[in-house]
Amino acid sequence: NAGVMQNPRHLVRRRGQEARLRCSPMKGHSHVYWYRQLPEEGLKFMVYLQKENIIDESGMPKERFSAEFPKEGPSILRIQQVVRGDSAAYFCASTGGFGLAYNEQFFGPGTRLTVL
Amino acid sequence: RKEVEQDPGPFNVPEGATVAFNCTYSNSASQSFFWYRQDCRKEPKLLMSVYSSGNEDGRFTAQLNRASQYISLLIRDSKLSDSATYLCVVNLNSGYALNFGKGTSLLVTP
Repeated sequence: NAGVMQNPRHLVRRRGQEARLRCSPMKGHSHVYWYRQLPEEGLKFMVYLQKENIIDESGMPKERFSAEFPKEGPSILRIQQVVRGDSAAYFCASTGGFGLAYNEQFFGPGTRLTVL
Repeated sequence: RKEVEQDPGPFNVPEGATVAFNCTYSNSASQSFFWYRQDCRKEPKLLMSVYSSGNEDGRFTAQLNRASQYISLLIRDSKLSDSATYLCVVNLNSGYALNFGKGTSLLVTP
């Protein structure tokens, strides 16, 4: 399967715990985007990363959320001290390069985070 | 005002019907426009890009009116398998983030 991979698919955490969501982009892609979909809401952009660089994090909450895309390995979205309002589906997408006009964003299956 | 607005529906239509969805966007500098499809609890998948000249892909036709900041999707001869949520998506001038509407729900019935 050469598509975007995300794990875990489902994650349950208690309030105050940390959540780590992983995303492996499509083979050959080096640009990763994270989106959050709250219940009954549309997808909201969070952050755009390339290998070892954060390009645009304008959609990231100011506290508790961080993202990285190391030289080796998957992109990680980390949520510290989770609260119930963090319960959502988190989708990762990847493209092969700059310029949205010519680069479709391919989405992974998402991680559904539930905070108890 | 939301950046991308859609009628949430649901649209319940019989098989074979023609159905149209509309979408408006607020940022006149938006550059790229798309319709995505999202099946229940699954990832969004690109249905088609939308161009100013209008474009067609089989039973699906998309139109863009930049002056009115309005996008439409027409589905002809609806199939049961068309049942899904249709997401209007706009690329803002920043060039990176996709801006999604909340989606329009379609249910095609036998």
